[in-house]
Amino acid sequence: EPEVTQTPSHQVTQMGQEVILRCVPISNHLYFYWYRQILGQKVEFLVSFYNNEISEKSEIFDDQFSVERPDGSNFTLKIRSTKLEDSAMYFCASSENPGRNEQYFGPGTRLTVT
Amino acid sequence: GEDVEQSLFLSVREGDSSVINCTYTDSSSTYLYWYKQEPGAGLQLLTYIFSNMDMKQDQRLTVLLNKKDKHLSLRIADTQTGDSAIYFCAEITPAGTALIFGKGTTLSVSS
Repeated sequence: EPEVTQTPSHQVTQMGQEVILRCVPISNHLYFYWYRQILGQKVEFLVSFYNNEISEKSEIFDDQFSVERPDGSNFTLKIRSTKLEDSAMYFCASSENPGRNEQYFGPGTRLTVT
Repeated sequence: GEDVEQSLFLSVREGDSSVINCTYTDSSSTYLYWYKQEPGAGLQLLTYIFSNMDMKQDQRLTVLLNKKDKHLSLRIADTQTGDSAIYFCAEITPAGTALIFGKGTTLSVSS
């Protein structure tokens, strides 16, 4: 069964450093998403992406964040200058169509900022 | 803004039915979802219901929707130890792309 994959599974970085989290969505899906889950808190929406454009973003997704689909298979989330409070599990998701919007999630990347 | 509320814990015995409840705020949500998260894993889509339906059954899972009260429930029949996980209810934002999740209900199944 097709699945969303994410790399790395765990990333440790120092405050102020740039990180890029990578995702490979399900191959025939056209809609892509990033969410994060701070330990013990809710899963929070960050951004949705379609046709090489951001469709929707939350207040969390400020100028420090950017997304890109650099090629036909990868979808990336970049955090320019990480802060301690960016430590969280980051989930990528994809969906085939926006109607039912069945979003399929990857296993997540645990980002630890020290 | 949109908000989704769930009770945090539910403990049941193997073979019993589990009922996980959720309330949501956005009455324009077209679809509502249930996700399952096992320890160390991502979110697995279990089922969803369209807002013009009252009930949806999928094998051991039954979803009930009371749109008037903005109440959603997930019933798991014949609960097994493998059902132990965190269950998240989610609604869709008015813009139609983002999922808004509850805090999750931890289901503990004892044998």
